[in-house]
Formats: sequence, C-alpha cells, structure tokens
Amino acid sequence: QQQVKQSPQSLIVQKGGISIINCAYENTAFDYFPWYQQFPGKGPALLIAIRPDVSEKKEGRFTISFNKSAKQFSLHIMDSQPGDSATYFCAASSGGTSYDKVIFGPGTSLSVIP
Amino acid sequence: ETGVTQSPTHLIKTRGQQVTLRCSSQSGHNTVSWYQQALGQGPQFIFQYYREEENGRGNFPPRFSGLQFPNYSSELNVNALELDDSALYLCASSSGLLVGGYTFGSGTRLTVV
Repeated sequence: QQQVKQSPQSLIVQKGGISIINCAYENTAFDYFPWYQQFPGKGPALLIAIRPDVSEKKEGRFTISFNKSAKQFSLHIMDSQPGDSATYFCAASSGGTSYDKVIFGPGTSLSVIP
Repeated sequence: ETGVTQSPTHLIKTRGQQVTLRCSSQSGHNTVSWYQQALGQGPQFIFQYYREEENGRGNFPPRFSGLQFPNYSSELNVNALELDDSALYLCASSSGLLVGGYTFGSGTRLTVV
C-alpha cells in the first residue's frame, strides 16, 4: 500500500553541504505534500509543505521542489548542520476527502557529519 | 514543546492481551488521528476521529478501535495483541479538518512478547 516512495533510505552529508531527498507519488488526487522531521524518541514534526499549484517553496534553509507532471517532489536542505541529523518523511494527503489521511513515505535517515 | 501528550511512553504486553493507549490533545483540537510506526518505517494511518466520531480508517483490522472524548482526549484500544503490533503508536491532533495541520505526540512504544 506504499503510495509514496522515498529515496535514499539513508544519507550522509558533510556539514555545510546540501542534503537532497526525493519522493514520488502515485495518486493524482493528492493535493498537499508535507515534509516531517523526526528525532529519536519524538513524534514527527511538520517541517515544510507545498501544494501542487507551485513548483517551489523555500523556508530558511529548507526548499521543496515540486514536479506535478512527473509526480515527484524533493526536499533540499542547504548548509546542512549536525542538528539536522534526523529522519525525514515526505508525505501526501488529499484535502478534498472527508477526512485527512496523511500517507507517509518510508523515511530517510540523514546524518550530517562535522 | 508539543501540545499533544501520550501515555504511557512505554508498554510491554503479552500476545493475546488487550491494551489502551491514551492521548491528550491541545484545547480546541477536535480532530485526532492515530498512526502506527513500525521500527524503521513511516507512520501508517490507523483512523481519525472528528468531534467524537470516527470519520476515516486505514487498513487495520477491527480489533483496533478508538474513542474521542469532549475534553480533547482520546484512546486507542487494541484487542488480541499480536507480535506484529509491536510499534510506536502516534497520536496527532489538529483544530479541524485542515490538511496537514497536525501536531504529533511523542508516541507510546508498545512491545508485544
């Protein structure tokens, strides 16, 4: 039932480098694409989100790029810091349904090394 | 600090037993969803409650059930526990049927032996 695919499974980046995580979805009814950050022992926290009517959204060091025709979206973390080390989940949801079921990708474990 | 509190934080149960997990949401958050997160995987949607009524369910059997109360608290009940039920159970709440506007709790780690 994996409707959201995510890669890579794990990622190691040098401090100051760019971290890139890619996701793809199948259901064209999805119209909201959030990214969540999860630290060990904590629940996921909303990081940034995008709707398919825009191709890019930037918040600080975090940027989402969205390609509606390819049904793909990605997260770029600029100037990666050790504090960014966490598991990142892309997700998708269709707000037009009667309930808000968020489908998560399998996650990417990011390690930023000094 | 998250406004969603879950209890207990850890729990060990025996196969076949029943378990109740609890969640306390922020005041005004009338929508709550429960997710199951197996180790190394993304959260899987179990069900959602809106104003004390179930209004959406994922691919989980009926032995997973829930309740939502007027005081913004909720419960997840699992009967006839199986080994595969071992996971982190997450509660997420929002102030309405707003897509993605969820606050997650830190979860309950359930181990079934």
